[in-house]
Amino acid sequence: GGIITQTPKFLIGQEGQKLTLKCQQNFNHDTMYWYRQDSGKGLRLIYYSITENDLQKGDLSEGYDASREKKSSFSLTVTSAQKNEMAVFLCASSIGGGRYAEQFFGPGTRLTVL
Amino acid sequence: AQKVTQTQTSISVMEKTTVTMDCVYETQDSSYFLFWYKQTASGEIVFLIRQDSYKKENATVGHYSLNFQKPKSSIGLIITATQIEDSAVYFCAMRANNAGAKLTFGGGTRLTVRP
Repeated sequence: GGIITQTPKFLIGQEGQKLTLKCQQNFNHDTMYWYRQDSGKGLRLIYYSITENDLQKGDLSEGYDASREKKSSFSLTVTSAQKNEMAVFLCASSIGGGRYAEQFFGPGTRLTVL
Repeated sequence: AQKVTQTQTSISVMEKTTVTMDCVYETQDSSYFLFWYKQTASGEIVFLIRQDSYKKENATVGHYSLNFQKPKSSIGLIITATQIEDSAVYFCAMRANNAGAKLTFGGGTRLTVRP
């Protein structure tokens, strides 16, 4: 078994601020993902990475940067926080290229922008 | 582009009954994988079951099974003998072969199981 850890659990920022969210996994999975979930809505893909130093844009990448410097970690940066970005950010990982393997999810980081 | 639609926003059933949640998908790819995930009230998301597009047999795991109707681009989730702890939001998702590792989620269906 393994676990995905996301830090911080709660993140409060100011509008216009640059904010970084971190994700660590010990599954030894190749592929990692960042999703955004707005209240009562589904998951939207921001970025994903199929291996160390690889980055692929999802449907919601504008306004975000990502970094995969190690196989076990994947960071997401909100480049300029906006009030309408209050949401939960979820990190996930999967085996191999991720095409047919299920994803394992972290507990999420809840972002509030003041 | 891929699209996944769950038209039922919420369903309420009595405990120990069977419930079906609908999901339709759109893709140009002939090969794809369909998934169902469950999000509990605590926010935890767990994988439930998967259907590969090339398989005719409906997948079954425990009291979860799928109703895969390929001509209708439909993948329903069936939960038999529902329990209170099945109350959650259920998400349908699809990964098309030409989309690499990218997974597209539906909007979710909230299931409430009443005692």
